[in-house]
Amino acid sequence: NAGVTQTPKFQVLKTGQSMTLQCAQDMNHEYMSWYRQDPGMGLRLIHYSVGAGITDQGEVPNGYNVSRSTTEDFPLRLLSAAPSQTSVYFCASSRRAVLAKNIQYFGAGTRLSVL
Amino acid sequence: AQKITQTQPGMFVQEKEAVTLDCTYDTSDPSYGLFWYKQPSSGEMIFLIYQGSYDQQNATEGRYSLNFQKARKSANLVISASQLGDSAMYFCAMRAGGSNYKLTFGKGTLLTVNP
Repeated sequence: NAGVTQTPKFQVLKTGQSMTLQCAQDMNHEYMSWYRQDPGMGLRLIHYSVGAGITDQGEVPNGYNVSRSTTEDFPLRLLSAAPSQTSVYFCASSRRAVLAKNIQYFGAGTRLSVL
Repeated sequence: AQKITQTQPGMFVQEKEAVTLDCTYDTSDPSYGLFWYKQPSSGEMIFLIYQGSYDQQNATEGRYSLNFQKARKSANLVISASQLGDSAMYFCAMRAGGSNYKLTFGKGTLLTVNP
């Protein structure tokens, strides 16, 4: 009954450090996405994937890399952390379905602070 | 481009009363879906209700209903018989066309239920 699992839950980085936020889903969903949530901004799409080996940029991709080698995993890499990347990060997954009630299921989030 | 507007940063309601949270949207795509998510203080994103652009009837899920007015491009969430546990941030979101990997979110409405 895991759904979408994100690790870690909390992380503090220094400016310039790199790290990877992990995301795994056990629902065999084709689609996976990364969002960031900033105060007063709602959620904004960073990167997404429509299947293993296929990724693309969302609304705010700068400073982030992704890859999708398996259906289950979709890690988000911060190459050189900046204070502007302080945010809460959500991973989501959904089935491939068109014109349907296709819910995106979200992980619990990772709260990242960059000092 | 898609846009979601939630004009109420905060709302207050008395326990057991009904409350309406406003959402207007903008898209040129004739096929779209509208979602409402709840985010309690614990931070997770909880799916509440979905309305498809071709659905003839307003969606309902227990105490939640969606007042869908297509011509006005509005998708208001109605919560009946409010409970203290309904206190949370509420987000309206939209997917346009077949892009089920991408949701566009509004900035949210913080609902407080008073005893």
